Amino acid sequence: DQQVKQNSPSLSVQEGRISILNCDYTNSMFDYFLWYKKYPAEGPTFLISISSIKDKNEDGRFTVFLNKSAKHLSLHIVPSQPGDSAVYFCAASLTGTASKLTFGTGTRLQVTL
Amino acid sequence: DAGVIQSPRHEVTEMGQEVTLRCKPISGHNSLFWYRQTMMRGLELLIYFNNNVPIDDSGMPEDRFSAKMPNASFSTLKIQPSEPRDSAVYFCASSPGQGAFVGSGNTIYFGEGSWLTVV
Repeated sequence: DQQVKQNSPSLSVQEGRISILNCDYTNSMFDYFLWYKKYPAEGPTFLISISSIKDKNEDGRFTVFLNKSAKHLSLHIVPSQPGDSAVYFCAASLTGTASKLTFGTGTRLQVTL
Repeated sequence: DAGVIQSPRHEVTEMGQEVTLRCKPISGHNSLFWYRQTMMRGLELLIYFNNNVPIDDSGMPEDRFSAKMPNASFSTLKIQPSEPRDSAVYFCASSPGQGAFVGSGNTIYFGEGSWLTVV
């Protein structure tokens, strides 16, 4: 069973526009959520995180929103740049620990010129 | 500082052969993770070590898979015998402590992965 779901396998956005990547989860006990970014032939790298006690966290062009009642989080990238083209993984953690990270299947973002 | 180092980067092998993937975690990190990436299931945790001791191997798919961590700077993931459905990218990752707190920006650090193809 996929406890963390990314239902859109791919997304194409024009440069300068907003990219919105979505993630749904089923386990209400998750207390930290993270986004990782992965370029081809590289390992995933940490992008941004949010605690379950918050509903928004912002870091430059990247903002993560959390809707606990809907068990939904989203990553907004504004403005989108060609260098943002990558696979984005949503991950959720029990107890906020690295040993209990559950990842989604990823969404491939393509930012076009 | 060197990141997590994995070898081989690519491996093509015939069904039934033994495959050994290797990992050197970041120096000073005492948690090590093996993940498998597939299109259908994304990134799945296979096994997690802390201080060289396997803590959680519930993600290991079956007895054909085994992992060891003989010391703090080396781990292996072995598949014997390999099957075509094992074809995937295998990632090793490390983190600074047992259950390193991810919320503060600490996180796990991934290697570049080992691409395995079993034909």
